[in-house]
Amino acid sequence: GNSVTQMEGPVTLSEEAFLTINCTYTATGYPSLFWYVQYPGEGLQLLLKATKADDKGSNKGFEATYRKETTSFHLEKGSVQVSDSAVYFCALLNSGGYQKVTFGIGTKLQVIP
Amino acid sequence: EAGVTQFPSHSVIEKGQTVTLRCDPISGHDNLYWYRRVMGKEIKFLLHFVKESKQDESGMPNNRFLAERTGGTYSTLKVQPAELEDSGVYFCASSQGTRSGNTIYFGEGSWLTVV
Repeated sequence: GNSVTQMEGPVTLSEEAFLTINCTYTATGYPSLFWYVQYPGEGLQLLLKATKADDKGSNKGFEATYRKETTSFHLEKGSVQVSDSAVYFCALLNSGGYQKVTFGIGTKLQVIP
Repeated sequence: EAGVTQFPSHSVIEKGQTVTLRCDPISGHDNLYWYRRVMGKEIKFLLHFVKESKQDESGMPNNRFLAERTGGTYSTLKVQPAELEDSGVYFCASSQGTRSGNTIYFGEGSWLTVV
């Protein structure tokens, strides 16, 4: 079956530090990959996505590249801000069939001033 | 355009009581999903509606959970009777089509605490 593995955290960084949250996946076929973010007290928001190998998703300074050879979709940001403090979920959606998103466990990020 | 809306946003009930969660998908979205995140765990799929039909309910934990989508519009998820382990955040989501490139939009979640 499908699975997503990501670091559990929490991750604590100082403002302007570089962020990497690792994500690897197991899936058949060619899934689409996503990062969702949940800010404190809010719902899940789509942060970025990539639908095929070597695609790079980007949004709000965050980037992730779909690496089929390493089955990875690591999230990066060059300079984090306090407002980036949230829980980040890596997810996949398998190609074909009906949509059922498989999520990772979520990584809590805390950015301190 | 309104997003996926869920009600209530928070609910605290006693073990053995009943709770009904409601989800209004984005207008025109035939696909509606329920997910749940128990504290510290992954967000897990519960079920998927296509219009008013249950396409996949393989994630429903047991028969204390009942989901409906009358008329193919809003959906309800009833938990009866609630148990302590049902506490968590229940997310509803919707999408327009079923192709893998379609985006699934999530609501803000209904936070359920069973005491």
